[in-house]
Amino acid sequence: GNSVTQMEGPVTLSEEAFLTINCTYTATGYPSLFWYVQYPGEGLQLLLKATKADDKGSNKGFEATYRKETTSFHLEKGSVQVSDSAVYFCALSPWGAQKLVFGQGTRLTINP
Amino acid sequence: DTGVSQDPRHKITKRGQNVTFRCDPISEHNRLYWYRQTLGQGPEFLTYFQNEAQLEKSRLLSDRFSAERPKGSFSTLEIQRTEQGDSAMYLCASSPGASSGHRGSVYEQYFGPGTRLTVT
Repeated sequence: GNSVTQMEGPVTLSEEAFLTINCTYTATGYPSLFWYVQYPGEGLQLLLKATKADDKGSNKGFEATYRKETTSFHLEKGSVQVSDSAVYFCALSPWGAQKLVFGQGTRLTINP
Repeated sequence: DTGVSQDPRHKITKRGQNVTFRCDPISEHNRLYWYRQTLGQGPEFLTYFQNEAQLEKSRLLSDRFSAERPKGSFSTLEIQRTEQGDSAMYLCASSPGASSGHRGSVYEQYFGPGTRLTVT
């Protein structure tokens, strides 16, 4: 079946620290991969995506690379800000399907 | 240009009552999705429409749940005989179709703010 496993949270970092949130997946075929973010009091927003192996998605200083050999899509940012505090969800869309399969989410808190 | 809207934002109901939620997708998006999110978990897929056709339903969608999209625009999700286990955030999302040529990637789903259901 299709599933996503995320690094367990919550994660607390100081401002300007380096961030990694791990995400691995299980899927048949060639899924598309996504990171969604949910800021406090707001709806889910797409942060970045990658649709094929070795693609790198990037947005707002965040990056993630689609690694087929390790079935991973880890989220990274070189220097986090207080405004990055949110819940981050890794997700996949199975090949040929329209639905998203989400991980359980990782709550990130950045302290000034 | 408005995003996906959902109504109501909050609903408190007693066990056994029926509830109905509405979702208005982004204009001209022909794909519409419903998800359910419980506290501390990621959203779980419930069902998907392309225009007015319901093309996929999750096993999570029991017989008490029904979704419609009668004219291929807004959608409703009804839960009959609610149970306490139905308490969750119900999310709606929309996306353009592959042939629509409209704004946004065919892969990106745009989410609404959700309807929080509490069953007492």
